[in-house]
Amino acid sequence: QKEVEQNSGPLSVPEGAIASLNCTYSDRGSQSFFWYRQYSGKSPELIMSIYSNGDKEDGRFTAQLNKASQYVSLLIRDSQPSDSATYLCAVSPYGGSQGNLIFGKGTKLSVKP
Amino acid sequence: SQTIHQWPVTLVQPVGSPLSLECTVEGTSNPNLYWYRQAAGRGLQLLFYSVGIGQISSEVPQNLSASRPQDRQFILSSKKLLLSDSGFYLCACWGPSYEQYFGPGTRLTVT
Repeated sequence: QKEVEQNSGPLSVPEGAIASLNCTYSDRGSQSFFWYRQYSGKSPELIMSIYSNGDKEDGRFTAQLNKASQYVSLLIRDSQPSDSATYLCAVSPYGGSQGNLIFGKGTKLSVKP
Repeated sequence: SQTIHQWPVTLVQPVGSPLSLECTVEGTSNPNLYWYRQAAGRGLQLLFYSVGIGQISSEVPQNLSASRPQDRQFILSSKKLLLSDSGFYLCACWGPSYEQYFGPGTRLTVT
């Protein structure tokens, strides 16, 4: 059974701090990794994708991938109250191709003003 | 870029009633389409996916079914709803950069 594990939280950080969200996956052959943000009552919104080991930065967001440790993380710098949401980690065994994603259950982030 | 439409937005149905949820996609052709369900406090569960017209794969056996009558239309159905069918139903497809995008969802409450 291929699994993606996330700490359910809630993770509470003060405004302006760095939020660190973590995800581990069981399938060593996984190739593509995604982070989604889901506000309460809304559908998931893609915020980052990463395919290679190392860091990928996009604005205040940095995704980090370590395939040897089967670990992917999302850092949110200068956290804002508007970042308060559930963050879903998703993994695919395919790179550059369409396939089925495996989702974690999500980490709830709360950013306190 | 593709746009995913879902309707209805919300639905309240009694146990034992039929169900039909619709998903349509614009801005892409021959997409892989997906139906997910997110029950309250739970993760995303893949229900069905389709790689083409009339081609449906089921991930979880249950009283739901799916159909794909047209290239960009995906329908989720049930003949008799159960209380456990309540949840947030999401349609998704892959975009041109091999990233999966979701529609706005349908919130179903079975009473």
